Amino acid sequence: GQQLNQSPQSMFIQEGEDVSMNCTSSSIFNTWLWYKQDPGEGPVLLIALYKAGELTSNGRLTAQFGITRKDSFLNISASIPSDVGIYFCAGQLGGTYKYIFGTGTRLKVLA
Amino acid sequence: SQTIHQWPATLVQPVGSPLSLECTVEGTSNPNLYWYRQAAGRGLQLLFYSVGIGQISSEVPQNLSASRPQDRQFILSSKKLLLSDSGFYLCAWSDGQSYNSPLHFGNGTRLTVT
Repeated sequence: GQQLNQSPQSMFIQEGEDVSMNCTSSSIFNTWLWYKQDPGEGPVLLIALYKAGELTSNGRLTAQFGITRKDSFLNISASIPSDVGIYFCAGQLGGTYKYIFGTGTRLKVLA
Repeated sequence: SQTIHQWPATLVQPVGSPLSLECTVEGTSNPNLYWYRQAAGRGLQLLFYSVGIGQISSEVPQNLSASRPQDRQFILSSKKLLLSDSGFYLCAWSDGQSYNSPLHFGNGTRLTVT
């Protein structure tokens, strides 16, 4: 099945550092979503983006809908231990109700 | 507020046995419903989605099927499980009144086929 290219695959960072991750695709998407998944649980929605170029924040999280509509970025500022988890992007294929997910970024924070 | 329920949370089944996973949504009408599968350490693969009762779109040819017998009920089934069917199964819903409504997930079912 289709999947988005998400990078980095995993990262270790020091508490207090900023984090950046991104998703890219050869397809154009109408909507970009970012999720966080804790072990053994379902993904939880962090940010939703609906327009090319849109920049949206949710606390320490900021995400952007790429101008080309083929990519999106998520930044986490001043990371804390509870930021540990797997972050997924998801894009809605144009003209459909289908959401395709990225391969995930596993974040580990060193206190 | 809307809630989504999935059960069971954990399931261990032998190869060749049938499967039925159920998902229900409360607090909304005519939602879009989705089944995803997540292999260990991997991303989410879309299996089926439904925009209305009796309407099922299948994304990946496989050993599974889905049904939507009621507006807010989505069922994932198999007649004979394979080892490769093991994984974490997630049900999700989105607002059927909005074209680009985000997905909201249940807590998943961990299926182990032995």
